Amino acid sequence: DSGVTQTPKHLITATGQRVTLRCSPRSGDLSVYWYQQSLDQGLQFLIHYYNGEERAKGNILERFSAQQFPDLHSELNLSSLELGDSALYFCASSVGGQGNGGEQYFGPGTRLTVT
Amino acid sequence: AQTVTQSQPEMSVQEAETVTLSCTYDTSESDYYLFWYKQPPSRQMILVIRQEAYKQQNATENRFSVNFQKAAKSFSLKISDSQLGDAAMYFCAYRTSYNNNDMRFGAGTRLTVKP
Repeated sequence: DSGVTQTPKHLITATGQRVTLRCSPRSGDLSVYWYQQSLDQGLQFLIHYYNGEERAKGNILERFSAQQFPDLHSELNLSSLELGDSALYFCASSVGGQGNGGEQYFGPGTRLTVT
Repeated sequence: AQTVTQSQPEMSVQEAETVTLSCTYDTSESDYYLFWYKQPPSRQMILVIRQEAYKQQNATENRFSVNFQKAAKSFSLKISDSQLGDAAMYFCAYRTSYNNNDMRFGAGTRLTVKP
């Protein structure tokens, strides 16, 4: 158990809908990262938040957005869902934001299926 | 741009034997971190081992060790005394030392352990 929690574990929804994925980082971690893993592929970095502020964006679609709240939990919002958005979405957390060597610890992921 | 390549989509090893998974990366940076993550069927991403580029000594964690060849930009993972529980997808990952969020993953190697 990495200490990072994600809810829900599974999510099934229809095309065109909007969903929210939630992540709680490890105690003491200020950074939250979101990744997308499509079937049998590597992880693609989506976005990074540090202490409530967006730090970096990766391959994140405009239909996707995220935020980190004062209690440091984060939400990833996916809207106008398409079949291709079906994937495993991971959240990871680390102590620092930039320049340190802290590992990223991953949550169990949320499996999103768009039908 | 930094890229990570895992040239072996699948590998197989007999229980109790040794197997080596390959990873190469491309970077112009001199200081960075390399990681191996394990993803078992549960899909949880588990950090196996980490290597700092400035350290010449290869990292070791119990039965897992790496062969880090900085000049060749190679970072292979050796699993000794393979166990059935080692069966998983293994991802090689790279991160610069100055940007905690710029984590790049390889496409993964699926390891099968035969009893």
